[in-house]
Amino acid sequence: NAGVTQTPKFQVLKTGQSMTLQCAQDMNHNSMYWYRQDPGMGLRLIYYSASEGTTDKGEVPNGYNVSRLNKREFSLRLESAAPSQTSVYFCASSEVRYGYTFGSGTRLTVV
Amino acid sequence: DQQVKQNSPSLSVQEGRISILNCDYTNSMFDYFLWYKKYPAEGPTFLISISSIKDKNEDGRFTVFLNKSAKHLSLHIVPSQPGDSAVYFCAASARSGSRLTFGEGTQLTVNP
Repeated sequence: NAGVTQTPKFQVLKTGQSMTLQCAQDMNHNSMYWYRQDPGMGLRLIYYSASEGTTDKGEVPNGYNVSRLNKREFSLRLESAAPSQTSVYFCASSEVRYGYTFGSGTRLTVV
Repeated sequence: DQQVKQNSPSLSVQEGRISILNCDYTNSMFDYFLWYKKYPAEGPTFLISISSIKDKNEDGRFTVFLNKSAKHLSLHIVPSQPGDSAVYFCAASARSGSRLTFGEGTQLTVNP
């Protein structure tokens, strides 16, 4: 099925550990995004990539890094996980201005 | 600075009745507005949108109304069905870029 694939679906980390969340889309979209969803906070943009080779900070970039590996893949890295990064992470892609397609999310718990 | 705000965290309605979800925004540069629906353990999916040149857009049971002077939009679902139970996010986009700014979400529960 065409769409956005995120891995892993679930992850538990200890404080200070690192990990990379993977995202791939097969719709040939130029733009890709990483959001986090927290109760009462909605979806907040962490980083985005308007096109291959470019990345920019969103609303809440601290503690994260991203890599736009190619047109299909956009990864999010936590170098030293903190409990405040416990959240559900969503990757999305879009081609035209209005059409976002989201992945099914990664539920991350940092203990 | 919350530029898109959904003041009601939750809403409960009876099956067959109308559901009205509200959203306010502060950024006058926003010119395109969308509603997304999210079921548990799934990503948000696009529901309906409206451009600032319109004040109403309808798609089946779903209608979005835009009041630009009040910087307010609402989503009406008529008639509501139990399968509509989900979190609804309001989102907005500005002329200057393609990024969407989302509200906090409203949990809609439709009781049989």
